[in-house]
Amino acid sequence: GAGVSQTPSNKVTEKGKYVELRCDPISGHTALYWYRQSLGQGPEFLIYFQGTGAADDSGLPNDRFFAVRPEGSVSTLKIQRTERGDSAVYLCASSLTRAGGQFFGPGTRLTVL
Amino acid sequence: DQQVKQNSPSLSVQEGRISILNCDYTNSMFDYFLWYKKYPAEGPTFLISISSIKDKNEDGRFTVFLNKSAKHLSLHIVPSQPGDSAVYFCAAGTFQNSGGSNYKLTFGKGTLLTVNP
Repeated sequence: GAGVSQTPSNKVTEKGKYVELRCDPISGHTALYWYRQSLGQGPEFLIYFQGTGAADDSGLPNDRFFAVRPEGSVSTLKIQRTERGDSAVYLCASSLTRAGGQFFGPGTRLTVL
Repeated sequence: DQQVKQNSPSLSVQEGRISILNCDYTNSMFDYFLWYKKYPAEGPTFLISISSIKDKNEDGRFTVFLNKSAKHLSLHIVPSQPGDSAVYFCAAGTFQNSGGSNYKLTFGKGTLLTVNP
C-alpha cells in the first residue's frame, strides 16, 4: 500500500464497551506512533513502537488503553471500558528515518455514546 | 501546559499573497520542528521540517524560519494558492536530545488558513 491505513474509519460504541483500532504502517517503516486528536486540539502522543516493542507509552492516559505490535508491522490500539471522554480521532503514524517527518493515516473517529 | 502554541486559530489571505503562520514553544529541549497540513477527514500531511542547528529551510513555496532565542518559528507560503486552504499544525520533538531514540511529537492546536481566490 502507498500510505498508512487505519480501520475502521468510524467506530460508534456504547459506554463500557471494548474497542480495537487497527493501523497498517507503510511497508518497511520500523517506527509506529499512536496519537489522539480531540475536537479543537492538535494530535496528542499516546505511544511509540520501535519494531515490536513499545519504546515509550508515556502518553497513554490510563490502564484502560493498551497497544500491541506483535510482528513489528500492524498495530492495534485497544481500549477497555470505554468512556464518553475517549471520543476522539485516533491517528496512527509511521516513519522510516530521522530526516523525514512522520506519515499519518486518515485516523479512526471513535464516538462513545 | 501547552509546550507548543499556535496563538492564531485562523488566518485569511488573498490568493497570490504571502501567508505567515506562527508558532511558539516553551521546551528548550526541542531540537526538531515540523509543519503539517491537514484537510478535513484526512490525517496530517508532512510539509516541511527544520533542525535546531538551522534557522531557515526552504522547499518550493514553503519556507520555515526558526528563532531559537525567541523560541519561535514561522511558516511562510509564497505565493498562496486556494489549494493551500487547510489546518496547519506546528509540531516539535526532542530527537537528538533523546539520543535519537524517540521521535515523539508535541503539536500545537493548529491554524486554519483560508486562501481566497
